[in-house]
Amino acid sequence: SQTIHQWPATLVQPVGSPLSLECTVEGTSNPNLYWYRQAAGRGLQLLFYSIGIDQISSEVPQNLSASRPQDRQFILSSKKLLLSDSGFYLCAWSSAGTSGSASSYNEQFFGPGTRLTVL
Amino acid sequence: AQKVTQAQTEISVVEKEDVTLDCVYETRDTTYYLFWYKQPPSGELVFLIRRNSFDEQNEISGRYSWNFQKSTSSFNFTITASQVVDSAVYFCALSVANDYKLSFGAGTTVTVRA
Repeated sequence: SQTIHQWPATLVQPVGSPLSLECTVEGTSNPNLYWYRQAAGRGLQLLFYSIGIDQISSEVPQNLSASRPQDRQFILSSKKLLLSDSGFYLCAWSSAGTSGSASSYNEQFFGPGTRLTVL
Repeated sequence: AQKVTQAQTEISVVEKEDVTLDCVYETRDTTYYLFWYKQPPSGELVFLIRRNSFDEQNEISGRYSWNFQKSTSSFNFTITASQVVDSAVYFCALSVANDYKLSFGAGTTVTVRA
């Protein structure tokens, strides 16, 4: 069965410090991967998605970046955190579509999340 | 562009009452997919159901049921005989063919009191 891991679970960082959040998926290959942020007030905002290694799309301009060094590893980073970066970060995966098409019919499965507080 | 509206921000019920969560969606695509997710206090989103635009059959899974009506662009979710463990935030979401993105509603917080 497939599982998705995120770490750390919680993180408190000062403004201006760097950030690295990691997400790994087990039990599947070539998944689509996603990073979401959920600010207080619960709306889910898609930050990045990736359909393959080094294929990453950004949804919202910000001081965050994402990388996918391995097929099942997705990393969210920042060089300098802002107060507004505080929130709950969720990683998700879905099965890839066939013949390069998007698998919009495939549900996304979410990790346990990382709660980030920037002070 | 796609849009999902969950007009109910919060719903509070007493255990064993039924609760219905409304979801209204907007899309110009004829092929699309609707989802419901549950987010308990622990934070992890749990997938509940997926429905395709060409399948309007309602579905029942235990105490959960879903009513999909294309005529009103709605995909409502009912919890029958609610329990305290049903307390969570529930999200409705939409995706369209050949697009990786899920458009989420703002969520409805359900509180079930003992």
